[in-house]
Amino acid sequence: TQLLEQSPQFLSIQEGENLTVYCNSSSVFSSLQWYRQEPGEGPVLLVTVVTGGEVKKLKRLTFQFGDARKDSSLHITAAQPGDTGLYLCAGVQGGSEKLVFGKGTKLTVNP
Amino acid sequence: NAGVTQTPKFQVLKTGQSMTLQCAQDMNHEYMSWYRQDPGMGLRLIHYSVGAGITDQGEVPNGYNVSRSTTEDFPLRLLSAAPSQTSVYFCASSRESRDYGYTFGSGTRLTVV
Repeated sequence: TQLLEQSPQFLSIQEGENLTVYCNSSSVFSSLQWYRQEPGEGPVLLVTVVTGGEVKKLKRLTFQFGDARKDSSLHITAAQPGDTGLYLCAGVQGGSEKLVFGKGTKLTVNP
Repeated sequence: NAGVTQTPKFQVLKTGQSMTLQCAQDMNHEYMSWYRQDPGMGLRLIHYSVGAGITDQGEVPNGYNVSRSTTEDFPLRLLSAAPSQTSVYFCASSRESRDYGYTFGSGTRLTVV
């Protein structure tokens, strides 16, 4: 059973569209993190959210941590082809320091 | 800074062979982890360490051993390779997992035949 469920698994959109990726769990996490991975490379950290209800913005990307610290979302405004990649959410389980990942969302932005 | 360095980048093993995947970081990070990434499965945690001399199991530890004798190095040993261990392996390190996130290496692509 996957601890973190990401949706959608695949997303193909046109340049300029907005999109939201969701990361859900029945467990509480001390932090949720979002990574982006390009083919043949390791994941690269985008953001860490640690407080319930927290919202962080990174240019056209907006990240939100749910009030109960069980879920998170990533919203991209006016997507560009350079946003294409695999987006991974990951959570730190309280007390264990383990970082566990969802299966990822493969985003393709077409010009 | 080199960050997290993994060697080798590619490896082919025969079933039953053993090998060690190397991981080194130069950022003085206390936390280090090993993951495997398979199509459709995301990244799964194999073993992790919160400091020299301290290791613990992740989600899929069977068939793998680790040790952490120094802060810099965290090698992953495959005891007797099996085709099911064909995967891409990533090592990662962090100053502290909750607030700082992890820095990943570029991976080792392992094929067991």
